[in-house]
Amino acid sequence: GDSVTQMEGPVTLSEEAFLTINCTYTATGYPSLFWYVQYPGEGLQLLLKATKADDKGSNKGFEATYRKETTSFHLEKGSVQVSDSAVYFCALSDHTDKLIFGTGTRLQVFP
Amino acid sequence: DTAVSQTPKYLVTQMGNDKSIKCEQNLGHDTMYWYKQDSKKFLKIMFSYNNKELIINETVPNRFSPKSPDKAHLNLHINSLELGDSAVYFCASSQRQLYGYTFGSGTRLTVV
Repeated sequence: GDSVTQMEGPVTLSEEAFLTINCTYTATGYPSLFWYVQYPGEGLQLLLKATKADDKGSNKGFEATYRKETTSFHLEKGSVQVSDSAVYFCALSDHTDKLIFGTGTRLQVFP
Repeated sequence: DTAVSQTPKYLVTQMGNDKSIKCEQNLGHDTMYWYKQDSKKFLKIMFSYNNKELIINETVPNRFSPKSPDKAHLNLHINSLELGDSAVYFCASSQRQLYGYTFGSGTRLTVV
């Protein structure tokens, strides 16, 4: 079945460093792809999305491009802040209207 | 106004008890979901309802029973609670999966 694979965490960075969190997917059709963020003690918030190949989702300085040829949707940010510390989930939605999540990657940013 | 609200936020109960978690959304979405997040943060869908009709029912013990009195509410009732049921349960809603879900803030269930 469809699945999402994310890099293991935690990812530990200094403030203003460049961030990449890798995400690859397996799907039989053409899924929509998402990044969600979960801050400590909170629910998940949609960070960005892309619905077709070569689409780029962006929000709050984060970007991810839907790469069909490599089945990837890597999350990037040019300069992270301490406030970006959270768990990041890559997800896809398949034709059954359910979201399938990766295992999450914890990001820790230190001053 | 909270878009997707769950109650209670925390629930501590003994094994064998029966408990319910309530969820309400004021977004006018047609579809609602329950997800379970385990201690390693892994999220797995349990159920989804579209306009009060059960659409997705993953492999979940039948001690878990969702109920949707109307399209704005989706409650989760759990019978005979077990230690392994301890987790954070998230409610979510969507209008079209293309646009992603809106999640509630979660209910942390601890079975002792």
